[in-house]
Amino acid sequence: ETGVTQTPRHLVMGMTNKKSLKCEQHLGHNAMYWYKQSAKKPLELMFVYSLEERVENNSVPSRFSPECPNSSHLFLHLHTLQPEDSALYLCASSQEGSGTQYFGPGTRLLVL
Amino acid sequence: GDSVTQMEGPVTLSEEAFLTINCTYTATGYPSLFWYVQYPGEGLQLLLKATKADDKGSNKGFEATYRKETTSFHLEKGSVQVSDSAVYFCALSLGGYKYIFGTGTRLKVLA
Repeated sequence: ETGVTQTPRHLVMGMTNKKSLKCEQHLGHNAMYWYKQSAKKPLELMFVYSLEERVENNSVPSRFSPECPNSSHLFLHLHTLQPEDSALYLCASSQEGSGTQYFGPGTRLLVL
Repeated sequence: GDSVTQMEGPVTLSEEAFLTINCTYTATGYPSLFWYVQYPGEGLQLLLKATKADDKGSNKGFEATYRKETTSFHLEKGSVQVSDSAVYFCALSLGGYKYIFGTGTRLKVLA
């Protein structure tokens, strides 16, 4: 595998479920990101990890919980989501200082 | 605050037409500028970038020039193809972890 991979690609969950999104980067980068992409809105940066430490959290509700066990893996744990959380969740990675982010294909999430 | 403004879409063109997608930015420092492309069902892919004033980024026939005096980074292509149909995002980076994206412009190219 090369680049940035995300699983699952599609997820349907009820508001009381708990699920996790997984991201893996094979580029040797030291920073990873979670973004939310909703229709007709700019990409929203949710979380940033650098060298496995969280460096940014943009006022994201606590029902979203990130985890970065090592520099290659990033998770987004989901619980008691709302229908308005339905969106495409994108993972990205970069090498600090390079300025260029590389994105995964995203997880399309539908909350019923 | 820092921001990126792109033209509203969708932009609909015939094959072989000339493409321009406008992008302007507001930034307190000296940003790097990017164009990303998103094909249906996929994530964003870097199309081109420029890191300083007057730099021209180019890739796959697309070009954009970093214009500091007009704070712009317009995307152009001389002859579009049906396969160029996608959503195009202008973005800036001020270093560190701060990236700002525009809302995206959908391009439809008709055969």
